Amino acid sequence: DTAVSQTPKYLVTQMGNDKSIKCEQNLGHDTMYWYKQDSKKFLKIMFSYNNKELIINETVPNRFSPKSPDKAHLNLHINSLELGDSAVYFCASSQQGEAFFGQGTRLTVV
Amino acid sequence: GQQLNQSPQSMFIQEGEDVSMNCTSSSIFNTWLWYKQDPGEGPVLLIALYKAGELTSNGRLTAQFGTTRKDSFLNISASIPSDVGIYFCAGQLWDDKIIFGKGTRLHILP
Repeated sequence: DTAVSQTPKYLVTQMGNDKSIKCEQNLGHDTMYWYKQDSKKFLKIMFSYNNKELIINETVPNRFSPKSPDKAHLNLHINSLELGDSAVYFCASSQQGEAFFGQGTRLTVV
Repeated sequence: GQQLNQSPQSMFIQEGEDVSMNCTSSSIFNTWLWYKQDPGEGPVLLIALYKAGELTSNGRLTAQFGTTRKDSFLNISASIPSDVGIYFCAGQLWDDKIIFGKGTRLHILP
């Protein structure tokens, strides 16, 4: 069973559209994250939730809105997509310092 | 802001050689993590370090957490072709925020 799973794996969409990426973890962890990986492979933290509560928001545009319906899920909704949003988005969960990542969602905005 | 300085950025080695990479920061970390990322995949946790000065091995991998909790190194002994990939250091701060170095790209020459 996949510990951290995110869907879809690939997402191609036009500028201006709204899209969502879903993430689920079955590890029982309290903390979940969203990261953005750019073309240079730099991993930048976007958000962190602990037990459904937002604890970190790294100056991400408010077009990005995370939602955590329960502590096993952290979804990412993006409004009015822009070309610069193209990247790979990774969900992760952690407990006691060890973070485990999903396989990533490659978002391409055209 | 907090950042991790990871070096070298790239390494080109012969199969069988030993590899060493390191990360430094001006910030103090609670936990230090080393990850490997293969193309099209999410980062996979290799080693987690919790105590200052801790030295931990995982097969051919050895990592140490600096005594000041501001740095770490990762060594890979007797490299094999499947070691190719991008290695990331990451540090977890006391608020659970995990930040990443820019990665070391390991290439093995035929």
